[in-house]
Amino acid sequence: DVKVTQSSRYLVKRTGEKVFLECVQDMDHENMFWYRQDPGLGLRLIYFSYDVKMKEKGDIPEGYSVSREKKERFSLILESASTNQTSMYLCASSFILAGGRNEQFFGPGTRLTVL
Amino acid sequence: SQQGEEDPQALSIQEGENATMNCSYKTSINNLQWYRQNSGRGLVHLILIRSNEREKHSGRLRVTLDTSKKSSSLLITASRAADTASYFCATDAIAGNTPLVFGKGTRLSVIA
Repeated sequence: DVKVTQSSRYLVKRTGEKVFLECVQDMDHENMFWYRQDPGLGLRLIYFSYDVKMKEKGDIPEGYSVSREKKERFSLILESASTNQTSMYLCASSFILAGGRNEQFFGPGTRLTVL
Repeated sequence: SQQGEEDPQALSIQEGENATMNCSYKTSINNLQWYRQNSGRGLVHLILIRSNEREKHSGRLRVTLDTSKKSSSLLITASRAADTASYFCATDAIAGNTPLVFGKGTRLSVIA
């Protein structure tokens, strides 16, 4: 079974703190993704990565950065957390497969509250 | 990116009834996928339908795809209380290894 794990289920931080969200997958997937999910807005892509040390901006990268030093690990960093970054953060991974099939496997999510 | 749009936003039915959710999208696609999310959890992949397929079944799930109308539907037959969740469609654009684009979801409530 593919497993995607996220370092915390719930996290409470203060405004201005640096926040690290960690995601690890155990299926040797090339692709990894970070989303945030807010009521009424669905899933919005923050950053993604197709390979180690590679990163691409998604739809809402402002205020975030990422790191992928190892294939199995993709970290999301909030350099200076703000209250509008309070959200559910979801990590996902997938293979690169021919023909466009790229089913994504999701972690359980981290609910971040910034006070 | 251009999200798919699910319709309705919320649906409430009795156990045993069928639930139908629709998804419309804007770009040409390789495939369309449906995911389920239980409250406060991650998404789980349900079914994938390729652009050259019109209908696909998996257990109590039936998915249709009409590429001329750029729309898909997910039918859950004989619904159960455990089917209560949010359901998302996600489109895989033709342009190479691009990220999936998710809709905003349909919130399904199945009342026992």
